[in-house]
Amino acid sequence: QKEVEQNSGPLSVPEGAIASLNCTYSDRGSQSFFWYRQYSGKSPELIMFIYSNGDKEDGRFTAQLNKASQYVSLLIRDSQPSDSATYLCAVAKGGTSYGKLTFGQGTILTVHP
Amino acid sequence: KAGVTQTPRYLIKTRGQQVTLSCSPISGHRSVSWYQQTPGQGLQFLFEYFSETQRNKGNFPGRFSGRQFSNSRSEMNVSTLELGDSALYLCASSRGQGMNTEAFFGQGTRLTVV
Repeated sequence: QKEVEQNSGPLSVPEGAIASLNCTYSDRGSQSFFWYRQYSGKSPELIMFIYSNGDKEDGRFTAQLNKASQYVSLLIRDSQPSDSATYLCAVAKGGTSYGKLTFGQGTILTVHP
Repeated sequence: KAGVTQTPRYLIKTRGQQVTLSCSPISGHRSVSWYQQTPGQGLQFLFEYFSETQRNKGNFPGRFSGRQFSNSRSEMNVSTLELGDSALYLCASSRGQGMNTEAFFGQGTRLTVV
């Protein structure tokens, strides 16, 4: 079992729809959860982070964390073609391991007009 | 506020050579982590330096090494290059302490080994 798994893609949604990206993790000691967006040929860009159970909203993005189910998700509302990218879920343990991120394999999202 | 700066952006090396990559973190950040990204393996953690000490290490051979200087700048070295070392090498900068440890990536160094 991989430490961090993301829903297999690619995911294609029409412009204006909600895109739902999912991630599960295996280590119950994980404490910090991040979503990065990576455009082709570019480096990952941090878009959301969440530490506590529940929802966290930032503009069109909502991150959801359920530690009991070891599940974290990202919702993108009113999806735009510019949201087309690979979305990476990353997980970190606490203490001195904060600097070590474990990434999922990524989900390719395509938003078509 | 300046971001994370990696140099060089592109490198072409021959098998058996060694290479040194550089990373300058965001001002005030004391943690620098290095990652290798390949199409087959995705993003894999190499190591992390915090206050000039290696704090975490991934599962890479000893050919991969690093260090951090007192100004938090970090270098990564790969010796005896192999074809399989061709990848995008990314460094990430963070404060490295407490819960507010969001990591920000540099633009990466694209290494090609021929």
